[in-house]
Amino acid sequence: EADIYQTPRYLVIGTGKKITLECSQTMGHDKMYWYQQDPGMELHLIHYSYGVNSTEKGDLSSESTVSRIRTEHFPLTLESARPSHTSQYLCASSGQGALAGELFFGEGSRLTVL
Amino acid sequence: QKEVEQNSGPLSVPEGAIASLNCTYSDRVSQSFFWYRQYSGKSPELIMSIYSNGDKEDGRFTAQLNKASQYVSLLIRDSQPSDSATYLCAVKNRDDKIIFGKGTRLHILP
Repeated sequence: EADIYQTPRYLVIGTGKKITLECSQTMGHDKMYWYQQDPGMELHLIHYSYGVNSTEKGDLSSESTVSRIRTEHFPLTLESARPSHTSQYLCASSGQGALAGELFFGEGSRLTVL
Repeated sequence: QKEVEQNSGPLSVPEGAIASLNCTYSDRVSQSFFWYRQYSGKSPELIMSIYSNGDKEDGRFTAQLNKASQYVSLLIRDSQPSDSATYLCAVKNRDDKIIFGKGTRLHILP
């Protein structure tokens, strides 16, 4: 069973608010990822990290930012939320080497911006 | 051309039959390939990984890889209603990123 946790699970906020989606894993994984997924649509990689102090943007342009100060923690922040940010955000982690593509996903954070 | 392509379906298969799901990828140097299952409203979960040409079997699931054709497939034998889900093909590309296809919706008919 995967030990990766996301909070909040559901969030409804107004336009212009700052939000942080939390993601923590207890597996000691170096690699962590944020994906964005709209209902019935594909997963888009928005951020990833290969270790502490390492962050990269993914393939889908996103106005969000991430940080990786501790191995187990990979929060995603939106400074000023807009309705276009309404989506499901999925955090994942993986080990190294041959296991690097075997992702463990959190349960997701569903964000609605009014 | 998208990096990972799948037929979105839905693919309808009678219970007990074999479900065949297909995926093609564009980056010829990719070495690692994965199948994830995603139930509606849930997160994806890994069901198979494959790294070498040929077949890899795990219970009712068989992954097949043909690097020359840049083609990955997943066979599900003795399909059950609980297999109804979206199946996502994923590829680790040359930049070490995990890229997902759009997924194929599979519906097992009781």
